Amino acid sequence: AQSVTQPDIHITVSEGASLELRCNYSYGATPYLFWYVQSPGQGLQLLLKYFSGDTLVQGIKGFEAEFKRSQSSFNLRKPSVHWSDAAEYFCAVAQGNNAGNMLTFGGGTRLMVKP
Amino acid sequence: NAGVTQTPKFQVLKTGQSMTLQCAQDMNHEYMSWYRQDPGMGLRLIHYSVGAGITDQGEVPNGYNVSRSTTEDFPLRLLSAAPSQTSVYFCASSRLGKRNEQFFGPGTRLTVL
Repeated sequence: AQSVTQPDIHITVSEGASLELRCNYSYGATPYLFWYVQSPGQGLQLLLKYFSGDTLVQGIKGFEAEFKRSQSSFNLRKPSVHWSDAAEYFCAVAQGNNAGNMLTFGGGTRLMVKP
Repeated sequence: NAGVTQTPKFQVLKTGQSMTLQCAQDMNHEYMSWYRQDPGMGLRLIHYSVGAGITDQGEVPNGYNVSRSTTEDFPLRLLSAAPSQTSVYFCASSRLGKRNEQFFGPGTRLTVL
């Protein structure tokens, strides 16, 4: 069965510093990978997704992620963090057949931003 | 478009009570699903539907029922609430296909005493 691991439960960075959130997945076939962000008290919003092709994908709000098949990783990065980026971030992999959209989520990483 | 809406936003139940969490979407999406979110566990799939009249179980279906009589609505029923069902519940919808973005509702925070 597929699984997603986010090794860091909490991360604190200073505003303006760079950010990398780690995600490792276990999936037999070509993975369909997603990063979602959840602001306090809100639902989840899609940041970016990877299906195939270029392994570096760009998303909204200045985020990017790199797919590395050899490491089974899909880490999220941002060159310069803003205070508004404080939120919880979830990595997910899509499972099921082509008609299904089931997502398996990692446990999440809570990002705090120091002024 | 309102997107995905959920009601209520907050609910407190006593053990053994039943209730229905409502979910509606106005994007004509075929796929709808329910997740529960617990600290450190991310979101786990409860039930999902690929169209009106079709539902199936996800990872954690016990204690929950669903039905899909219309494309727009996908209610989640708790038959006899237990403290272990204290959680935040999210409804999501999307077009069919793994490539498609899922749109999430704002969530329902449920406490079972």
